[in-house]
Amino acid sequence: AQSVTQPDIHITVSEGASLELRCNYSYGATPYLFWYVQSPGQGLQLLLKYFSGDTLVQGIKGFEAEFKRSQSSFNLRKPSVHWSDAAEYFCAVSSGAGSYQLTFGKGTKLSVIP
Amino acid sequence: DTAVSQTPKYLVTQMGNDKSIKCEQNLGHDTMYWYKQDSKKFLKIMFSYNNKELIINETVPNRFSPKSPDKAHLNLHINSLELGDSAVYFCASSQAGNPYEQYFGPGTRLTVT
Repeated sequence: AQSVTQPDIHITVSEGASLELRCNYSYGATPYLFWYVQSPGQGLQLLLKYFSGDTLVQGIKGFEAEFKRSQSSFNLRKPSVHWSDAAEYFCAVSSGAGSYQLTFGKGTKLSVIP
Repeated sequence: DTAVSQTPKYLVTQMGNDKSIKCEQNLGHDTMYWYKQDSKKFLKIMFSYNNKELIINETVPNRFSPKSPDKAHLNLHINSLELGDSAVYFCASSQAGNPYEQYFGPGTRLTVT
């Protein structure tokens, strides 16, 4: 069965600093990978996705993520964090091949210091 | 224009009651989902449904049942509510042929006392 691990429960960064949120997955084949963001009191919004091809994917709001098969990782990055980026971030995996199911990690809460 | 909406936003009820949560999407999607997010923010799929197929997560008690009057709506009915049902429930939808890109509603916080 597929699974997702987000090792960091809570990360605090200063505004303007760079950010990297870690995500490791467990799946036998090449997975479909996603990052979602949940602002307080809101639903989840898709930031970016990886299906195949270029391992560095660009998303909305200046985020990017890199798929590294050798490390089973799909880390989310942003070069300069804004206060509005404070939210909960979820990594998710799907087995693809018509599967509708997303398996989510437990999330990483990002706090931003002004 | 809200893409995926849910009502109510908050629901407080007593154990043993039966309640429903409504979900509507105006994106023209044909697949809809219900997720449960527990107190530790862990998000788990409960159901996925399109007009052809209902897929139920095997861990979901049969007290939970989705009802879809049409493609734009997927309501969640819960019978005999238990304390452990307290959570935030999210509805989501996706487009035919692209089930991986899901759009989420704002959530319904259910509290069972």
